[in-house]
Amino acid sequence: GESVGLHLPTLSVQEGDNSIINCAYSNSASDYFIWYKQESGKGPQFIIDIRSNMDKRQGQRVTVLLNKTVKHLSLQIAATQPGDSAVYFCAENMKDTGRRALTFGSGTRLQVQP
Amino acid sequence: DAGVIQSPRHEVTEMGQEVTLRCKPISGHDYLFWYRQTMMRGLELLIYFNNNVPIDDSGMPEDRFSAKMPNASFSTLKIQPSEPRDSAVYFCASSMVRGYEDTEAFFGQGTRLTVV
Repeated sequence: GESVGLHLPTLSVQEGDNSIINCAYSNSASDYFIWYKQESGKGPQFIIDIRSNMDKRQGQRVTVLLNKTVKHLSLQIAATQPGDSAVYFCAENMKDTGRRALTFGSGTRLQVQP
Repeated sequence: DAGVIQSPRHEVTEMGQEVTLRCKPISGHDYLFWYRQTMMRGLELLIYFNNNVPIDDSGMPEDRFSAKMPNASFSTLKIQPSEPRDSAVYFCASSMVRGYEDTEAFFGQGTRLTVV
């Protein structure tokens, strides 16, 4: 039967620690990936993106790693702050379907303990 | 730019009524997307447009849902008649293509729809 609702995995970290959020994507032909952050009552906000010709990309306090062999994406947040508490989504562009639209994962909730 | 603008932010309506959600994309963006977010199904793509033309509406749940983009700066998502199971947060997003490469989609703040 249908589940009651999406069970969001939760990652709880201490302020100042590093966070790693993982995502398994579905389509081996996807060539563009994005991490979004969604705070309560707001729309998803772009954090960082990576194309399939790269393995790693760094931003300010964030790093995205792409492992195409196992179809795995991760988001690393350095020195996690209370303001980082949110739900994080990975999204992929399944370009081989001819569709230029992002498909989103189910999300991970990050809780930062002060 | 003020970003993607959606209206209204909240809508409460009775079952059977018509609901119209509105979106103004970021100027210069040639792609516009409508997503729906629920606890049960997460973020789902409903429909997207390229240069005001609907490209993929396979995510539109039923004929009760329709979307239009009469010009580059405005889109509507209409539900007629509305049902309680349509209650969700509806997001509009826009993006552009640089060369042949996709870029990130920017989201609006969403419209929280409650059908009673």
